[in-house]
Amino acid sequence: EDKVVQSPLSLVVHEGDTVTLNCSYEVTNFRSLLWYKQEKKAPTFLFMLTSSGIEKKSGRLSSILDKKELSSILNITATQTGDSAIYLCAVPNTNAGKSTFGDGTTLTVKP
Amino acid sequence: SAVISQKPSRDICQRGTSLTIQCQVDSQVTMMFWYRQQPGQSLTLIATANQGSEATYESGFVIDKFPISRPNLTFSTLTVSNMSPEDSSIYLCSVHRDMGTGELFFGEGSRLTVL
Repeated sequence: EDKVVQSPLSLVVHEGDTVTLNCSYEVTNFRSLLWYKQEKKAPTFLFMLTSSGIEKKSGRLSSILDKKELSSILNITATQTGDSAIYLCAVPNTNAGKSTFGDGTTLTVKP
Repeated sequence: SAVISQKPSRDICQRGTSLTIQCQVDSQVTMMFWYRQQPGQSLTLIATANQGSEATYESGFVIDKFPISRPNLTFSTLTVSNMSPEDSSIYLCSVHRDMGTGELFFGEGSRLTVL
């Protein structure tokens, strides 16, 4: 059974801080790892990672995959209150098309 | 990119009643996924709805409790039957944006509170 574990489960920082969120996985037939941001109800896509060592970047957010360590990190620099959300890591099952989600990291950024 | 309309957005329900959530996609898709997110928890897949066949349920979820319809390639419904307070959750409909990568689009979600 596929397994995705995220850490920490929650994090409280102040504006301007840099945070690193972790995701580790145990899956058969790895295809990709995805990060989502959930602010209210619907998660929205952030990054899709397939290759080890290649950083994906979008503004203050970046992410990288380490296939050897079966893990990924999501970095957010110069955090803002608008970054407060649940960050979800997910790994799709290549056969069934469904995705397994980690428990998420709840990030709270205080002014 | 797909546009997914989900309703109701939220509802407050009485114990023992049933509620049907609708999901409409603006393009034809093979698979539609129904997820549940209980308070403080992550997303758990309830079932995969395929057009023309019965839904495939995940361990711990049964058709009697969560009947699903998939009458065509753009629409699906999930019914939460005989609700109890433990069913209070966000229910999310999703489809693949890209089957090659597994990236998902999500509907706006339905927040159900069972009293």
